[in-house]
Amino acid sequence: GDSVTQMEGPVTLSEEAFLTINCTYTATGYPSLFWYVQYPGEGLQLLLKATKADDKGSNKGFEATYRKETTSFHLEKGSVQVSDSAVYFCALIRHSGSARQLTFGSGTQLTVLP
Amino acid sequence: GAVVSQHPSRVICKSGTSVKIECRSLDFQATTMFWYRQFPKQSLMLMATSNEGSKATYEQGVEKDKFLINHASLTLSTLTVTSAHPEDSSFYICSMCRVNTEAFFGQGTRLTVV
Repeated sequence: GDSVTQMEGPVTLSEEAFLTINCTYTATGYPSLFWYVQYPGEGLQLLLKATKADDKGSNKGFEATYRKETTSFHLEKGSVQVSDSAVYFCALIRHSGSARQLTFGSGTQLTVLP
Repeated sequence: GAVVSQHPSRVICKSGTSVKIECRSLDFQATTMFWYRQFPKQSLMLMATSNEGSKATYEQGVEKDKFLINHASLTLSTLTVTSAHPEDSSFYICSMCRVNTEAFFGQGTRLTVV
């Protein structure tokens, strides 16, 4: 079956540090890839997405590139802020006819210190 | 972006009672709906998936008689926790997909069974 493996946390960084959270996947076909963010006590919000190979998703300074050759979708940000502290989930959606298979990674807790 | 409304956001109930959680898409029709459960500091655990025109498919280990999922329409799904017990206390999140797009999440429901 499909699977998503992401870097285990927790990750603690100082403000303005560079962030990388690794994510790799296994899936049949051509899934769409996503990063979601969850702030404490809230649901998940879409951070960025990429729907085909070599697409780059970007939002709020975060970026991730869909690499089919390495089956990866690593999340990066050049300069993190305290407000970026949250849990980040890598996910894929595989479309099979009218059905959708949504698979999440285990989540990575990020804490940014001032 | 698309909006998914989930309510209640918090509910406290007595052991043995049933609780219904509602998830509604406000501006799109969802072909697939997912229900997740999340324990503190842990990832999302998929409980069940329901695709348009089909009954919900439950994940292994999830009791379908205890967690009743009704995909009432393309804009509404409900999760009823029947005869709730303290171990059912958790954060429940719904998600909806429309054709060829990402999943949109509700805000989550914090259930506490006392």
